[in-house]
Amino acid sequence: KQEVTQIPAALSVPEGENLVLNCSFTDSAIYNLQWFRQDPGKGLTSLLLIQSSQREQTSGRLNASLDKSSGRSTLYIAASQPGDSATYLCAVNFGNEKLTFGTGTRLTIIP
Amino acid sequence: EPEVTQTPSHQVTQMGQEVILRCVPISNHLYFYWYRQILGQKVEFLVSFYNNEISEKSEIFDDQFSVERPDGSNFTLKIRSTKLEDSAMYFCASRKEGQYNQPQHFGDGTRLSIL
Repeated sequence: KQEVTQIPAALSVPEGENLVLNCSFTDSAIYNLQWFRQDPGKGLTSLLLIQSSQREQTSGRLNASLDKSSGRSTLYIAASQPGDSATYLCAVNFGNEKLTFGTGTRLTIIP
Repeated sequence: EPEVTQTPSHQVTQMGQEVILRCVPISNHLYFYWYRQILGQKVEFLVSFYNNEISEKSEIFDDQFSVERPDGSNFTLKIRSTKLEDSAMYFCASRKEGQYNQPQHFGDGTRLSIL
């Protein structure tokens, strides 16, 4: 069964620190992986999409990496800010139309 | 930046009633999706829609559910006879033409509460 896991479920980090969020998936035959941000009671904001042929993708202070062989992706956030506090979701396209989501990591940046 | 728009933001319905959730995808997008998120659980895929037909659906998307693109801009999800367990946040998403290398863009969701 194709599954996506995110550990830890919650993370608290002092403002200004760099941090890494983890995502693992069970099937290495993926098309792409998308990282989202979800604020409480809100929709999903797409942060980065990384293709299966790519090793990493960058947008501003965010950097996503992909290691298909080990079934892992990381989202690196540099110089964290209180406004980065949100739930971060990893979603994998295993080669069909749907995204398979992880349960997310709830990130709190402590001022 | 273009957005996916969903209405209403919150819908309260009596069990057994029909409900229609509405979405306006981004205008040049051709692939449309519905997902749902039960409180405290993962976001789950329901259905994908392309070229005026369902391209894939999950086990959740049974005969009580239907989707429609009634005109050139709207994309709707209908639940025929709602159950308590249909209470969830429902998200609409869309993406551009092309293989799966385009990101899916999500709306803010409709919170459906079944009483």
